[in-house]
Amino acid sequence: GENVEQHPSTLSVQEGDSAVIKCTYSDSASNYFPWYKQELGKRPQLIIDIRSNVGEKKDQRIAVTLNKTAKHFSLHITETQPEDSAVYFCAASVATGGFKTIFGAGTRLFVKA
Amino acid sequence: SAVISQKPSRDICQRGTSLTIQCQVDSQVTMMFWYRQQPGQSLTLIATANQGSEATYESGFVIDKFPISRPNLTFSTLTVSNMSPEDSSIYLCSVEVGRGGRTEAFFGQGTRLTVV
Repeated sequence: GENVEQHPSTLSVQEGDSAVIKCTYSDSASNYFPWYKQELGKRPQLIIDIRSNVGEKKDQRIAVTLNKTAKHFSLHITETQPEDSAVYFCAASVATGGFKTIFGAGTRLFVKA
Repeated sequence: SAVISQKPSRDICQRGTSLTIQCQVDSQVTMMFWYRQQPGQSLTLIATANQGSEATYESGFVIDKFPISRPNLTFSTLTVSNMSPEDSSIYLCSVEVGRGGRTEAFFGQGTRLTVV
């Protein structure tokens, strides 16, 4: 089955700096890669996603890149703000008659003011 | 989108007892997913609940320990049976709404279970 690895487990940056979180996946059939943000005590929420036919996608301060050949995808947050502090999960989805999402281990991001 | 109501939000249970967690979705969905999230950890898929058939369990999870019901397309329950302290965790139900090749997972608010 699919396995998603995520690094780093913890990331601390100064406000205004950039943060990069990297993930790899194992199943070449995966074709959809969402990123979720989970604030303390809250449920995970989708922040951005990318499909396998696209190499990069940007939404304001957040961007995702995908390298299908290497099975790598990354989340980039620019101009970080304290409210970006949360746990971020990458995920890979395999469309097998329905979508089963496998999550990475999570990255705890701290943005220091 | 999908709105999921999950209850209870938290419970403290004695070891050896069972707890049933309920999830209600505001729309009909084919599959519902049950996850476990240890504090500070990732989401581990327990099983996929299909309406009209038995749930599909992931490696390490068995029906006797985590029986699931899926009586209709908007509702599911997960029971944590014969609980031990190792079952203390947050349990979340989820549905995935697909549109135009994109799938977004929506989560219930979670059930924080403490077994004493």
